[in-house]
Amino acid sequence: SQQGEEDPQALSIQEGENATMNCSYKTSINNLQWYRQNSGRGLVHLILIRSNEREKHSGRLRVTLDTSKKSSSLLITASRAADTASYFCATDLANQAGTALIFGKGTTLSVSS
Amino acid sequence: GAVVSQHPSWVICKSGTSVKIECRSLDFQATTMFWYRQFPKQSLMLMATSNEGSKATYEQGVEKDKFLINHASLTLSTLTVTSAHPEDSSFYICSASTGVNHEQYFGPGTRLTVT
Repeated sequence: SQQGEEDPQALSIQEGENATMNCSYKTSINNLQWYRQNSGRGLVHLILIRSNEREKHSGRLRVTLDTSKKSSSLLITASRAADTASYFCATDLANQAGTALIFGKGTTLSVSS
Repeated sequence: GAVVSQHPSWVICKSGTSVKIECRSLDFQATTMFWYRQFPKQSLMLMATSNEGSKATYEQGVEKDKFLINHASLTLSTLTVTSAHPEDSSFYICSASTGVNHEQYFGPGTRLTVT
């Protein structure tokens, strides 16, 4: 069963605004990752945050992880129309290298110019 | 590095026929490969885990006799959808892991349409 739950399910913003997506999970993890998927296309890996990390940055992306609340957030700053896509968080199981990723339901982001 | 390819990228087949999808790790050896399915506007759902040289482990609700998985080498896993039905139409994505760390590398996906 899916472990991650994202909210909101859909988000519509204007170019230049920030977009925040949240993800919650149920069990202990080793890593949490965020992926982007354009409509009908494959996954693009955005960022990986380890369970002992609390915050990570990559360009306009900022990811936080709160293991006590079993939640993570993805912030996209100064959004662009090209950021329009679905965003998924994915977790793996702690202490089990080589296990499958469990994906959340995703947030569909629409950025209008 | 760490490139995973899938072939074909899209396929249309008739009901009752079988379709084979290949997943290859191009520049690394993958001890474990995973097959996911994604229906329109939904998330990825794990179908099965495939370890080289052994039988695949299927998730609950996934028919092993319908979705045949073969992981014959460290760089190739195949998924065969047998006796395809229109409800099997979906986006099938594989990923590969070396098993050494927790990183996985995803293929670009295969869109299957069964008419």
